[in-house]
Amino acid sequence: GQNIDQPTEMTATEGAIVQINCTYQTSGFNGLFWYQQHAGEAPTFLSYNVLDGLEEKGRFSSFLSRSKGYSYLLLKELQMKDSASYLCAAMDSNYQLIWGAGTKLIIKP
Amino acid sequence: GAVVSQHPSWVICKSGTSVKIECRSLDFQATTMFWYRQFPKQSLMLMATSNEGSKATYEQGVEKDKFLINHASLTLSTLTVTSAHPEDSSFYICSAHTGGIYEQYFGPGTRLTVT
Repeated sequence: GQNIDQPTEMTATEGAIVQINCTYQTSGFNGLFWYQQHAGEAPTFLSYNVLDGLEEKGRFSSFLSRSKGYSYLLLKELQMKDSASYLCAAMDSNYQLIWGAGTKLIIKP
Repeated sequence: GAVVSQHPSWVICKSGTSVKIECRSLDFQATTMFWYRQFPKQSLMLMATSNEGSKATYEQGVEKDKFLINHASLTLSTLTVTSAHPEDSSFYICSAHTGGIYEQYFGPGTRLTVT
C-alpha cells in the first residue's frame, strides 16, 4: 500500500535549526512536496523535489533520496512564525498526492 | 499569481439542510480541482477529484450523492453538502492544478459547522 510517515510533533528553539523527516512508499513516484499549514488555515506550498539532492530556498531547504524513499525539510534561523504543521506529500504514478499526517512544529523562545 | 478563492470562508447550518461551497481559480485555468476535508489535528483527506466538464472521481468511502461536485468551468468548482449532519462539520479545502505543473494551489478553506 501507499504510506507516508513523519513525526507527529517536534519542538525547537527560536534561532535554531530543525530537520523534519519524511519516508514514503508509493505506487510510482512523481515528486515529493512539502507544505506549511498554520492552525485554521489552508496549506501553503513550500517545496517540490523530484530529483535526488538538496533544494535550497531561503531559510528552508528540502532534500530527497529516491532510492531510500526519504525526504527532509530543513528550517534554519527559526522564527516564532514558523510554528505550524508541516505536511509531506508524495505524488504517485497517477499524479495523485498521498499525504502524511503532518508534523506539528513548536518553536520556543 | 496562482490564487484560489473559496466562498464562504465559514458557514453554520442546521442539520438536514444543504450547503454549497465555491472554489475559484482567480488568475489561471484549473484543469483539475481537488476537494479535501480535514478534521481537527488530522491531515488532509482527499474527497474527490474533478476535471472540467466531466464527472468527479470520488475516493473510497465518500458518498457521491451526499457530496455533489460540479466543475462547470475551468475556473469554478462547487461542492454541495446535501442533508448535512453534525458529523459533516469539518474544514473543507479545495485545491487547483493546472496542466504541466504538479503543484496544487490551495484555497483558504471553508469551515462548516452543522448544528
